[in-house]
Formats: sequence, structure tokens, C-alpha cells
Amino acid sequence: DQQVKQNSPSLSVQEGRISILNCDYTNSMFDYFLWYKKYPAEGPTFLISISSIKDKNEDGRFTVFLNKSAKHLSLHIVPSQPGDSAVYFCAASEDDKIIFGKGTRLHILP
Amino acid sequence: KAGVTQTPRYLIKTRGQQVTLSCSPISGHRSVSWYQQTPGQGLQFLFEYFSETQRNKGNFPGRFSGRQFSNSRSEMNVSTLELGDSALYLCASNYEQYFGPGTRLTVT
Repeated sequence: DQQVKQNSPSLSVQEGRISILNCDYTNSMFDYFLWYKKYPAEGPTFLISISSIKDKNEDGRFTVFLNKSAKHLSLHIVPSQPGDSAVYFCAASEDDKIIFGKGTRLHILP
Repeated sequence: KAGVTQTPRYLIKTRGQQVTLSCSPISGHRSVSWYQQTPGQGLQFLFEYFSETQRNKGNFPGRFSGRQFSNSRSEMNVSTLELGDSALYLCASNYEQYFGPGTRLTVT
């Protein structure tokens, strides 16, 4: 059973607009959430994280929102840039064990 | 600081063979985790090592094994390869903070 779900396999967004990537989880014991970005032929790169005691964390163009009651988190990228085209993985952690979603491929359109 | 390195980067093996992949974490990092990435399943956790001890293991068959050496370098071994083992194998150091580029294994 998938504990971390990214229900959109792909997303296309116009350059300059906001990209919103969504992630749902089922395990209420997760205490830390992470987002990674992955280019082809490279390993994932850590982007941003959020502790379960917070509901928002911001780092430059990237903001992660956590809604614990809905067991939902989202990554906002504003403004979207061509270099943001990649696969984004959501991940959740409990007791040092990290579970990844299957990823969402983001296409930034010119 | 050098990043996480994985060797080899690409590998082609035949069903039934065995394979060993290597990962060197960033200097000073003692934690190494291994993941399998396939198009249909995303990243799936294989195992985690810390100071030569396996601390966590994912839901993979016993054909998948690993070890960590005193210098924190880690190896992953897959015996009796199956076609379904074709994947990108990633290792990460410092609790998934830094990933290597992966080893692309193709089983024919």
C-alpha cells in the first residue's frame, strides 16, 4: 500500500507562472517531509523540507505547505523557470525511514 | 567537497548473474542508504547502513544484500539477477540529504 502518493504523473506550467505539486500521505506518524528534484541521469537533489510541527516553509522560489488534517503537502514554485523542468519527488520520514512518492514530471513551457 | 560517487555508472548483465555496485559517500558522512528507482515504482528503499551496521531494510528479497566498510564506502550485491531488477540504483549519504548519480543496471 502506497503511503506517499503523488497522483499527478506530470504537470505542464507556463514559464513565469506558479507551479503547484501535490502529495498525499496516509501515515499520521510521519514527522518530516521532503521534496527532491531529479534531472535525467542524475541523482535526486534535496530541495526543501518541513517538519510536522510547521505548516509552511519557504526557501527562495520554493514554498512547501503542510496540511496535517488533510494529510496533504504541496510544493509551490514561483515564478517557474525553464530549469525547473524535472521530476519532483515527495518523501516522508518516520523513525529515520524515508518513503518516496512515485514522482511528478514538471514541464515548464516557454 | 566531492559528492556521493557511484560506480559503475552503467552495467549490463545477463539473467542469473550477480552484480556488485559501489557507493562512496561524502567524506565524513557515515550513513549510506540505497534505493531502487523504476518508472512504475518510483524510489524504493533497499537498506540503510551506519558505521558498518545495517539499521533498516526495505521489502526486497534476500537476493539483495549490502555491506558498509570502515571507511563508510558501501557495496550492494544482487545475486541471481532477474529481468525485473533492471533499474537505476541510487545511494544517498547523510540520511538522504545527498544522492549519487546512480548506477543504471540493465538485465537481459
